[in-house]
Formats: sequence, C-alpha cells, structure tokens
Amino acid sequence: QSALTQPPSASGSPGQSVTISCTGTSSDVGGYTYVSWYQQHPGKAPKLMIYEVSKRPSGVPDRFSGSKSGNTASLTVSGLQTDDEADYYCSSYAGSNNWVFGGGTKLTVL
Amino acid sequence: QVQLVQSGTEVKKPGASVKVSCKTSGYTFTGYYMHWVRQAPGQGLEWMGIINPSGGSTTSPQKFQGRVTMTRDTSTSTVYMELSSLRSEDTAVYYCARVLTYFGPFDYWGQGTLVTVSS
Repeated sequence: QSALTQPPSASGSPGQSVTISCTGTSSDVGGYTYVSWYQQHPGKAPKLMIYEVSKRPSGVPDRFSGSKSGNTASLTVSGLQTDDEADYYCSSYAGSNNWVFGGGTKLTVL
Repeated sequence: QVQLVQSGTEVKKPGASVKVSCKTSGYTFTGYYMHWVRQAPGQGLEWMGIINPSGGSTTSPQKFQGRVTMTRDTSTSTVYMELSSLRSEDTAVYYCARVLTYFGPFDYWGQGTLVTVSS
C-alpha cells in the first residue's frame, strides 16, 4: 500500500487561506469517505482535525474544512493564525483492513 | 476523559525485541478498536496494525507481518505492541491510537514511545 501524496510544504500569511491536497487512488481516497486530517506540532502526538472528508470534531475551529474530489482530498485552513503552523497528515481507509497515511505537509505561517 | 498512556523510552540492540504498552482509561476498552502508528525521526506517519480489544483479533500490513505482535489485557484495559528482529530503521516514535469506528478516524492518541535501535 503506497502512501498518499501530499505537497511537502505550504505557506500563507496570517489571515490568508491555504489548501493542502492529498492524492490517492480509487482504492483508498477515491473509494471511501473515510478520509481524515491530523495536525501535529513538533514533539506532540497528532490531533484529529477533520474526519469523514469534511466533518469537524468538537473543539476544532470552523476555520478548518475538508473536501474531496475523485482521488484527491483537500484540507483548507482559513484565517491563518500563527498556531496553525504545524505538520498536517491525511489518512484514508484503503480497503481489505488496511489504512494509509500521507507523507505530511509542513505548513508555515509567514 | 479518554486517556491513552504509553510506556517509556526504550533503547534496544539490533536483533532484539521491544514491547510497548498503552494503558487506556475513560471509556469502554472493548468498545473501540486500537491502532499502532509509528513515526521515524523527521518522517511521516506509518500505519502498523489494528487490534480488536474485544476479541483480540489483529491485522497488520504485509511489511510488518511476522515481526509485529499486538495483544491486549482486558483486566487492565491495556494494549501492547511487540516488534521483533529490530533494526536501525525501526528507530521511531510509536503511537497507539483509538478509532471512533472501525474505519476511523484516529480520535485519541497516546503520547508516543521513542524506541531507539542502536548497537
């Protein structure tokens, strides 16, 4: 099972919006609605930000949103804040009792 | 509140085995599947396997089959992950992560356990 493809880096200024993509195949991202996104600050465990493509857990600001088109899922962070600077990972159920993560995107708030 | 507390840092020699524990609290242990995920230094997340705390059944990707053993102790609400035949490439932080439903998402994570493999 190959890792999902994410851009290594993304950036934006405070207040701006940034979108991070996550490309897989019809066997994972394209085949299921079980796509989720995680935020990871240095030295910390990942934190769930988006699940089932576009749902936000309680406590996650509505500045974070998710979508999917075909084999590509996207995470959009609006109104960028300095604390949004972190690594972001997508994940998808990949069928046959397998799960897969993306390679991660380092988001820099300029 | 839901808590996943993992065991401490380990240093192992190549060829040895390591067993990491993940003690849970704050929810019905047998009601939620648990995964193991690892992260090598400066690298991304890698899925290692899933265990059903209720029946004990496990699944892991082919990469780890034969080397990873996941078990659970329902009396202490603890899951374990043992990785054998360690090599330097296994140096990583190992996480346990609970899933909300069978398919995901990973809604609660342990704090991570650093395993260093070095001669």
